[in-house]
Amino acid sequence: QVQLVESGGGVVQPGRSLRLSCTTSAFSLRNYPVHWVRQAQGQGLEWLSFISSNGLEQFYEDSVEGRFIISRDKSGNTVFLQLNRLRPADTAVYYCARQQSAALDVWGQGTTVSVSS
Amino acid sequence: QSALTQPASMSGSPGQSITISCTGTSSDIGAYNLISWYQQNAGKAPKLMIYEVTKRPSGVSNRFSGSKSGNTASLTISGLQPEDEADYYCCSFAGSGTLVFGGGTKLTVL
Repeated sequence: QVQLVESGGGVVQPGRSLRLSCTTSAFSLRNYPVHWVRQAQGQGLEWLSFISSNGLEQFYEDSVEGRFIISRDKSGNTVFLQLNRLRPADTAVYYCARQQSAALDVWGQGTTVSVSS
Repeated sequence: QSALTQPASMSGSPGQSITISCTGTSSDIGAYNLISWYQQNAGKAPKLMIYEVTKRPSGVSNRFSGSKSGNTASLTISGLQPEDEADYYCCSFAGSGTLVFGGGTKLTVL
């Protein structure tokens, strides 16, 4: 099954940073816009951020704008989400997903971020 | 960016049909025919079930259908089956690459 692979999650203290990565060997991720979505334990899906296929456009949900940064590597085949000034409320499973027709048709399995002192 | 409104839970018996509603605003659901629906089983990643309001990805059962009227989108599941028990999320394009999700509906098949 075609899937994305996230990595980089872990346990981190409040105020610290993490960088999440999203990649795949199944297709060229550089040809697609990519989104990050998170889900806190027992809660719903929350859209976080978008990056265009060429990397020139980025958008963020209001609560993370200025703290999180989405980017692509030079090849365009890996997408990153830099999480800065982390808060306990950022504790969640973070998913990356490929966009087609303004829908998210391929998802990763998620990477867990836990922010705790 | 306020979440779309879905019923928290719904239930139905095998063979019945159910419709999950998703209410937004004139800035998201009402503005774009770019509504998608996702099914999520416990501990798993979401799965795309409907896109562009009414379209089904390859492999998704035709028991799943979508519609939209004004600021409200709907997902109908006909001929409910036990394997349909899951959480369902609506999602709308909200302009400039942004998306907004609904709060999710937990579907129980009795």
